[in-house]
Amino acid sequence: RKEVEQDPGPFNVPEGATVAFNCTYSNSASQSFFWYRQDCRKEPKLLMSVYSSGNEDGRFTAQLNRASQYISLLIRDSKLSDSATYLCVAWHGSSNTGKLIFGQGTTLQVKP
Amino acid sequence: ETGVTQTPRHLVMGMTNKKSLKCEQHLGHNAMYWYKQSAKKPLELMFVYNFKEQTENNSVPSRFSPECPNSSHLFLHLHTLQPEDSALYLCASSKTIGDYGYTFGSGTRLTVV
Repeated sequence: RKEVEQDPGPFNVPEGATVAFNCTYSNSASQSFFWYRQDCRKEPKLLMSVYSSGNEDGRFTAQLNRASQYISLLIRDSKLSDSATYLCVAWHGSSNTGKLIFGQGTTLQVKP
Repeated sequence: ETGVTQTPRHLVMGMTNKKSLKCEQHLGHNAMYWYKQSAKKPLELMFVYNFKEQTENNSVPSRFSPECPNSSHLFLHLHTLQPEDSALYLCASSKTIGDYGYTFGSGTRLTVV
């Protein structure tokens, strides 16, 4: 079983739509969670961290449910520039060891 | 530039060739990482270095040989690769090994023919 699982999509949505991505993780020891964005043929870049209390950054809202080991990302009012692959990421470790574990990514294509 | 520089950006090599990938950062980070990203697969962690000491080898075949001469430089030496090794190889760094604020390089897109 993959440590971090995502629906690869693609999700094809019109501009202005609201779209939600989900992710599950298998290691209950994972401590921190993130969404990264990866544009075609580019490196991953941190989009936002994910907290149990929810985290909102403009049109983006991330949520963590530790009991269900489930993470979500909601994008409101989609823009063409939101087209990318969104990577769900878990981190587990301590002050002297740790690593990021990536999901396969969910591809979003926003159409005019 | 992301702060982590990888060279070359693209590499085509034969199965009998020997080549090296280079990663350099001047962010003052002490931990460095090699990831492999194949099509339709998640990023796979290959190696972790902390203060130039290898702390993790994620069951990577010996045809991949990492080298970390100092905290700013990381190499991945390649020899007798297979076509299935074709992928995007990404280098990342973080302040410490316990820090999840990774900075990624742009990657080297490797094609093995």
